[in-house]
Order: sequence, then structure tokens, then C-alpha cells
Amino acid sequence: DVKVTQSSRYLVKRTGEKVFLECVQDMDHENMFWYRQDPGLGLRLIYFSYDVKMKEKGDIPEGYSVSREKKERFSLILESASTNQTSMYLCASSFFRRGELFFGEGSRLTVL
Amino acid sequence: KQEVTQIPAALSVPEGENLVLNCSFTDSAIYNLQWFRQDPGKGLTSLLLIQSSQREQTSGRLNASLDKSSGRSTLYIAASQPGDSATYLCAVYNAGNMLTFGGGTRLMVKP
Repeated sequence: DVKVTQSSRYLVKRTGEKVFLECVQDMDHENMFWYRQDPGLGLRLIYFSYDVKMKEKGDIPEGYSVSREKKERFSLILESASTNQTSMYLCASSFFRRGELFFGEGSRLTVL
Repeated sequence: KQEVTQIPAALSVPEGENLVLNCSFTDSAIYNLQWFRQDPGKGLTSLLLIQSSQREQTSGRLNASLDKSSGRSTLYIAASQPGDSATYLCAVYNAGNMLTFGGGTRLMVKP
């Protein structure tokens, strides 16, 4: 079974802090994605990556950056957390570019 | 721009009932369609993936159908159980590598 692991299930941070959300997949998937999910807004794509050291902006990249130094790991970085970044963050991966998508358990971030 | 709609937004049924969840999309030029389940506070679990060339996929008590020409997919759940209670989302991949999610249907199966 594919396993996508997000390092933190719950985080509480203060405004202005730098936040790292880590995601690791164990199935040698080329493609990895970061989404945020908010009530009434659904899932929105933040960043994605089709290969190591490659990254592409999604629909809402402002205030975020990503890092993919190894194939299995895709990190989401909030350089200076703000209260409007309080959300559920979901990491996903797939083998093919438009293939079946597998999600992690999610990271619930609260910014105070 | 692709739009994906799931109606109703919420559904409550008694245990044992067969039920159908709906997913509509505006642009029929899709690559594939995927159904997910999401439990409260958790990530999404992939249920079924239907390629654009397929009409349906089955997994256990779940059957998903796809009608590209009418822009519709349905997820049929047979003999529903309280453990099926969750939010069900569909997502559509267009040829341009864009994935669009529906808003989900929140299902409650009452014992």
C-alpha cells in the first residue's frame, strides 16, 4: 500500500514564525502536491513538483515556498506565518502525472 | 474552466439502504475521474479511479460509473453501513494536467 506520511498532525504557531511541514512518500512517486483545505473553499493547490528539485506554483502560492531535495520528500514552508494561513494542509503523491492520487493524513495548522 | 459539482451537499440514510452520490462536470474533455472518501479531520482516501475510456469501476460494495458525454459520474454504495459515514469527493483531471475537486457530499448512515 502507498503510504504518504505528514510529520505533524497538529501544530500551533505564532504570527511571524517560520513553519515547516514535511511530507514523505514510500512508493517512489515522481509527483508530489501540497493542498490546503478550508470550509466552503474546498481543496486548493499550493505547489506541486514533478521531479526532484523541480517545483511549480499552484493556484495559491503566495506566502508559501517548497523544497524537494529528495524524490520521496516534499516540504512546505511558511516563511512568516499569518493567521490567514490557519488551515488543514494535505500532501499528496502520484506515480503518473494524471494518475491516482494518494493523500497523507493532513496537518492541522493554527496560527495565533 | 472546469467546474465540478456534487449534489446534494449532505445526505442522511438508514443503514442497509443502497445509495447514489452524484458528481457533475462542465468540460467533458477529461482524462480521468477519481472518487475519494474523507473522514473528519483526516486526509483523503482514494476509492476508485475511472479512466476516460472506461464506463465503470468496482471495488467491493462501491461502483463508480462515468458518462463523459453528459458530464456525470455516480458512486453507488450498496448495503450502506454506519462505517460508510464520511464526506465523499470526486476530482477530475483535464488533459492540461489540471485537477479540479468537487465540494463533496457529506454522508451519514444511521444505525
